[in-house]
Amino acid sequence: DAKTTQPNSMESNEEEPVHLPCNHSTISGTDYIHWYRQLPSQGPEYVIHGLTSNVNNRMASLAIAEDRKSSTLILHRATLRDAAVYYCILRALWNTDKLIFGTGTRLQVFP
Amino acid sequence: NAGVTQTPKFRVLKTGQSMTLLCAQDMNHEYMYWYRQDPGMGLRLIHYSVGEGTTAKGEVPDGYNVSRLKKQNFLLGLESAAPSQTSVYFCASTPWGAQNTGELFFGEGSRLTVL
Repeated sequence: DAKTTQPNSMESNEEEPVHLPCNHSTISGTDYIHWYRQLPSQGPEYVIHGLTSNVNNRMASLAIAEDRKSSTLILHRATLRDAAVYYCILRALWNTDKLIFGTGTRLQVFP
Repeated sequence: NAGVTQTPKFRVLKTGQSMTLLCAQDMNHEYMYWYRQDPGMGLRLIHYSVGEGTTAKGEVPDGYNVSRLKKQNFLLGLESAAPSQTSVYFCASTPWGAQNTGELFFGEGSRLTVL
């Protein structure tokens, strides 16, 4: 199973941009990069996903390295509600079994 | 829309007791998963199912059994509960194939304490 590596924790001030990195050096050509976040006392929620090109949605942006061995989740203006654990996972297009989450990055946002 | 519903939400067991956690989804999803999350830790996959009547082991399957008799339900059983199984359990589901937008849908979690 392809694995991801993320820093244990990061800090940000409110209204500043946040760049959350993820390394996935063993990614295969058919693996999508997915990001989820888990707010305190809640189940994880989907944030964004991509394959090769950078992606934007209302929650965040995903920047994918040209060699696809790393990616960065970008929160353009952090708010206190963005304080959560962020998980980067790999998911094959047609084979979605055995989705491994890892430990994620705990983001703290200060006012 | 109910989405993914887990029952019960809270349960306290004594060591050696058995119980079953129920996960129900109303989105006609093929794939379903059971994860556990210990305090301050990430999610660990216990078992998963790629369709009705199928199940497979995840990262930490020991001490658990699962069944997927109906497409909408995924049951997680503890035959003889141990304190090490004290955790929060999350169920998730996702569609297969062309309908797969990449999103896993999670339940709210079931907090289990084994004394």
